[in-house]
Formats: sequence, C-alpha cells, structure tokens
Amino acid sequence: GENVEQHPSTLSVQEGDSAVIKCTYSDSASNYFPWYKQELGKRPQLIIDIRSNVGEKKDQRIAVTLNKTAKHFSLHITETQPEDSAVYFCAAQSNQFYFGTGTSLTVIP
Amino acid sequence: NAGVTQTPKFQVLKTGQSMTLQCAQDMNHNSMYWYRQDPGMGLRLIYYSASEGTTDKGEVPNGYNVSRLNKREFSLRLESAAPSQTSVYFCASSWFGQGGQPQHFGDGTRLSIL
Repeated sequence: GENVEQHPSTLSVQEGDSAVIKCTYSDSASNYFPWYKQELGKRPQLIIDIRSNVGEKKDQRIAVTLNKTAKHFSLHITETQPEDSAVYFCAAQSNQFYFGTGTSLTVIP
Repeated sequence: NAGVTQTPKFQVLKTGQSMTLQCAQDMNHNSMYWYRQDPGMGLRLIYYSASEGTTDKGEVPNGYNVSRLNKREFSLRLESAAPSQTSVYFCASSWFGQGGQPQHFGDGTRLSIL
C-alpha cells in the first residue's frame, strides 16, 4: 500500500514569514494530493489540492507543488498570520486516502 | 446542507461494552470512510465504502465492524470495546472516481473507554 511521510512534525515561524511543509509518497498510482488544516478540537478541512497532471497550484497565500518523478509534494504558506496556527495534514489518494502524520504549525505574533 | 453529521459527539464506555457510531451525509457522495485519530499518528483508515453495498478494510480494522445502510449512512460498531480504542473517530465522505475528489469530514466522536 501507499506510505506517506510528512516533515517537519512541528514548525514555528514568525508572523509574516513563510512556512513550508513537505510530504513524500511511495505509490506511483497516487494521482490526487489534498492538504487539510485542523484546528484544535475541530474537523480537518480541505485548504488546497493538486492532481497529478499539474505541477503547481496557488490560492492566495497558499500554494502546493508536486514533483511526480521524485514522488514528493509541498505546501507553501506565505505571509503567515496567527490564525494559520493549526495542524496540517497531507494526503495521497490511489484506491483510498493515505494521510501523513501531521505538522503542528505555530505562528508567533 | 449539514454536510457530514456524526453522532454522538462524546461517549464514555466501559471495557467490554458495545456501541455504534452513526454517520450520515447529505452531499450525495458515493464513498464514505471511518478514521481514527490518535496523538502523533495522524488519521488512520479503519474501513471504507467505495459505493453503496460495498465495504473494505483499511489500515486498522481489527475490533470494528461497519454497515453501509444506504447511500447516506455508514455506521461503525465496536462489539467489545477495549481501552486501546480510546480515540477521536472521524467519518468522511467523497466522490470516488477518476481524478480524485476531496473528502469532507464530520465533527468527530470523542470516545473514551475505561
């Protein structure tokens, strides 16, 4: 089956700086890669996704890049704000979804 | 639209008791999923149902059973609860097909087993 690894497990940045979270996957059949944000005690919510026929996607301060050859994809958050503080999960879908173990992001005001 | 609704939100059980977690979605999705979330371990798939009438094991199915009652509802049953099953349980739904579609999650059920 698929194996998704996510790094780092914790990340602290100053407000206004950028944050980058990286994931790798093992199954070349995976073709869909969503990112979820989970605030404390809340449900995971989709923030951005990318499909295997696209290399990069951007939505305001959030961007995702995908390198199919190397089997890795990354989440980039620019101009971070305190409300970006949360746990972020990457996932890869082949026949089912496989999640990374999460990155706890803290944005320091 | 309510999206994905889970009941109950909280539950405390004693070891050996049984219970069923309920999940319903109103987005006409064909696929539904049950995950458990433990600290530091992300979301682990227990069972999923790619379409009405089918169910398949995920990564951690032992100690659980599921029923896809109809297109809207997917329940998770613990027959004999164990302390190791203390966790937060999330139900999710999505369209399953070519190209991939995002999952939508419920608010979770926080389950403690004493």
